[in-house]
Amino acid sequence: AQKVTQAQTEISVVEKEDVTLDCVYETRDTTYYLFWYKQPPSGELVFLIRRNSFDEQNEISGRYSWNFQKSTSSFNFTITASQVVDSAVYFCALRMTTDSWGKLQFGAGTQVVVTP
Amino acid sequence: GAVVSQHPSRVICKSGTSVKIECRSLDFQATTMFWYRQFPKQSLMLMATSNEGSKATYEQGVEKDKFLINHASLTLSTLTVTSAHPEDSSFYICSAKNRGENTEAFFGQGTRLTVV
Repeated sequence: AQKVTQAQTEISVVEKEDVTLDCVYETRDTTYYLFWYKQPPSGELVFLIRRNSFDEQNEISGRYSWNFQKSTSSFNFTITASQVVDSAVYFCALRMTTDSWGKLQFGAGTQVVVTP
Repeated sequence: GAVVSQHPSRVICKSGTSVKIECRSLDFQATTMFWYRQFPKQSLMLMATSNEGSKATYEQGVEKDKFLINHASLTLSTLTVTSAHPEDSSFYICSAKNRGENTEAFFGQGTRLTVV
């Protein structure tokens, strides 16, 4: 069985601080995909990144960066110099390659609150 | 490209009535669509996989007679919540997989259902 754990329920920071969101996953499969989504108060899910299990390179996109550590089954997400617009719930998700592309196992989500 | 539209975005209905939610892929064909449910401050849980021209596949614990899914065309799937009760109040969000591409499914903006 697969499982995604986001242990941090809520993180509050002041604008310009960095914030790191933890994601730990469990799977018995050797090939899989990991995702991060942002859910602002309006509710829609905004795709942030997809990473396959063979690609352990870290990635940076603007103020966002991701650290994939297969050895510890973690796929952490850092927002650098946070802004108020970053306030949202962030979900980590796992997809097995044997599953359809739309079948995702989501973590519980981490609420990020950025105050001015 | 890859726009998925859900309608309505919000709906309030009386207990005992049925509500239909539409999920449309606007600029691609989707042989497979997915319906998720999200309770307040909780994660997203996959309810069912909608397959064009065939029966939907429901996840364990989801009542198929309660949540009717129809995927009559390559661009439209509908979820009907039958005989809705207050406990069905939730955020329902769909995603659609582009049949021509081997990539992640794209999410609609979600529908907030309130049953009074």
